[in-house]
Amino acid sequence: SAVISQKPSRDICQRGTSLTIQCQVDSQVTMMFWYRQQPGQSLTLIATANQGSEATYESGFVIDKFPISRPNLTFSTLTVSNMSPEDSSIYLCSVGASGETQYFGPGTRLLVL
Amino acid sequence: AQSVSQHNHHVILSEAASLELGCNYSYGGTVNLFWYVQYPGQHLQLLLKYFSGDPLVKGIKGFEAEFIKSKFSFNLRKPSVQWSDTAEYFCAVGVTGGGNKLTFGTGTQLKVEL
Repeated sequence: SAVISQKPSRDICQRGTSLTIQCQVDSQVTMMFWYRQQPGQSLTLIATANQGSEATYESGFVIDKFPISRPNLTFSTLTVSNMSPEDSSIYLCSVGASGETQYFGPGTRLLVL
Repeated sequence: AQSVSQHNHHVILSEAASLELGCNYSYGGTVNLFWYVQYPGQHLQLLLKYFSGDPLVKGIKGFEAEFIKSKFSFNLRKPSVQWSDTAEYFCAVGVTGGGNKLTFGTGTQLKVEL
């Protein structure tokens, strides 16, 4: 399975600011995804990060709030823009492997004050 | 769209007890099924998966799950739990050919007491 790292691992941010989360994979992967895990809840898919094209967002998530970059097959970023306390969550990057299995990064724990 | 239900939100067991965590999904087509585990302070790890074939699949650490198509279920089992199995367990469903997109259940927090 792929080794996935995320930066930062955690952060405390002020309302109205933005945070960019990085996801790095140790091998080239076609599919990369970003999820959110709000306190006490399950994982919700934010978007699929497409290499060379715009990300595909799930219902309820928009590019202005969660812009995503995917410059190559090993790297992606998710920005949480104009943050509010409701954005406090764990943000996870995952990669798709063969057979439609996904492997997850360690997550970024975000607290917005 | 598919959905996943995990009926047990919190489970407390004593060591050596048997475990069964329920997972039901709703989707009319062919699905891939997964169980992920998140140990305290660690990231999500794949426990086992089912794509096709034998509906009884075995995963890591002695876990197994059985796919019962008629019941839309994919329950996780372990005959004898250990304290180290304390973790949160997530069932997930992917639509075959759906580009790896997964829908997760709400998770079951398992605590194993000595």
